[in-house]
Amino acid sequence: EDKVVQSPLSLVVHEGDTVTLNCSYEVTNFRSLLWYKQEKKAPTFLFMLTSSGIEKKSGRLSSILDKKELFSILNITATQTGDSAIYLCAVVPSSNTGKLIFGQGTTLQVKP
Amino acid sequence: DVKVTQSSRYLVKRTGEKVFLECVQDMDHENMFWYRQDPGLGLRLIYFSYDVKMKEKGDIPEGYSVSREKKERFSLILESASTNQTSMYLCASSYHEGTEAFFGQGTRLTVV
Repeated sequence: EDKVVQSPLSLVVHEGDTVTLNCSYEVTNFRSLLWYKQEKKAPTFLFMLTSSGIEKKSGRLSSILDKKELFSILNITATQTGDSAIYLCAVVPSSNTGKLIFGQGTTLQVKP
Repeated sequence: DVKVTQSSRYLVKRTGEKVFLECVQDMDHENMFWYRQDPGLGLRLIYFSYDVKMKEKGDIPEGYSVSREKKERFSLILESASTNQTSMYLCASSYHEGTEAFFGQGTRLTVV
């Protein structure tokens, strides 16, 4: 059965800290891995990763995929209170349905 | 910009009522999805559709049905609402080839 596991489930840090969120997966016929940020509304897309070892970067956020060890990490440097959110990892298997399999999410709280 | 619109942000329904949640997307996406989100459990797939009139069960379809009569619209139906269906419901859409999914703003349903 396809499975995505995120860790930690929750995290509390102070502004300026660096955090690393983890996502491991077991999926038949992997196509891509997606990261989303969810505040008090719809999840918003952050990154899509398809190839191992290629870092995707957007401002203070970056992410990388390891297809051999079946995991991805999301790094946030110099955290701000606006980074407080649920971070969701999802994997898309190779099929023509585009179905996403989500992990449980990591709830990040950044304190001033 | 892609827009996925859910008909209601908040709903309160009584046990036993039939409930309709509507979702409309404006990007001509083939795939549409209904998820529910509960604390600690992440997003769980209820149903998805990869074409008009086509539907497939997700991981937790019991107590739900769906309808996709037009490409842009995907409806989730709770035949007889129960208190354990109190949750946040998220609709999403994507292209067939499995690129990122775009989410609606969510409907927080409370069944009393």
